[in-house]
Amino acid sequence: EPEVTQTPSHQVTQMGQEVILRCVPISNHLYFYWYRQILGQKVEFLVSFYNNEISEKSEIFDDQFSVERPDGSNFTLKIRSTKLEDSAMYFCASSEARSGTEAFFGQGTRLTVV
Amino acid sequence: SQQGEEDPQALSIQEGENATMNCSYKTSINNLQWYRQNSGRGLVHLILIRSNEREKHSGRLRVTLDTSKKSSSLLITASRAADTASYFCATFYNQAGTALIFGKGTTLSVSS
Repeated sequence: EPEVTQTPSHQVTQMGQEVILRCVPISNHLYFYWYRQILGQKVEFLVSFYNNEISEKSEIFDDQFSVERPDGSNFTLKIRSTKLEDSAMYFCASSEARSGTEAFFGQGTRLTVV
Repeated sequence: SQQGEEDPQALSIQEGENATMNCSYKTSINNLQWYRQNSGRGLVHLILIRSNEREKHSGRLRVTLDTSKKSSSLLITASRAADTASYFCATFYNQAGTALIFGKGTTLSVSS
């Protein structure tokens, strides 16, 4: 069964460092998303991406964050200068169509900022 | 935003019992989805119910939707220990968009 894959599964980084989280969405999906979940809290929407541009973003997704689809398969989230409060589980998801279909989530990357 | 909120926050039951979780949301929807999350893992889609549907079944899952009350419920019948997880309802971040937003979820614990 097709799945969304994320790498790495766990990343530890120093505060102030840049980090790139990687995702390979399901191949025929057109919409891509990043979410985060701080430990013990709810899953929060960050950004959605369609047709090589951001289609929606939340107030969390500030200038510290950027997304890119550098090739036909990868979808990345970059955090420019990490803060302690960026420590969270980051989930990538993809969906096939505009609406009325489910989103498929990866297993997440646990980011720890020290 | 149209964020859904689930209740109860936590639910503990015995194997074989039914579990009911509720979700309330704020604005009009085209559809509402339920997801499950095992501890520390990604979310898994369970079921989608459209705004013109009142009830939908999938295996041991039954979802209802009352658009007049802006609420939905998820019923898991004959629960198993493997159903232990957090359950979230999801609506759209923007009505015209595709991104989902999730409530705080109901943590279900099923003991054998």
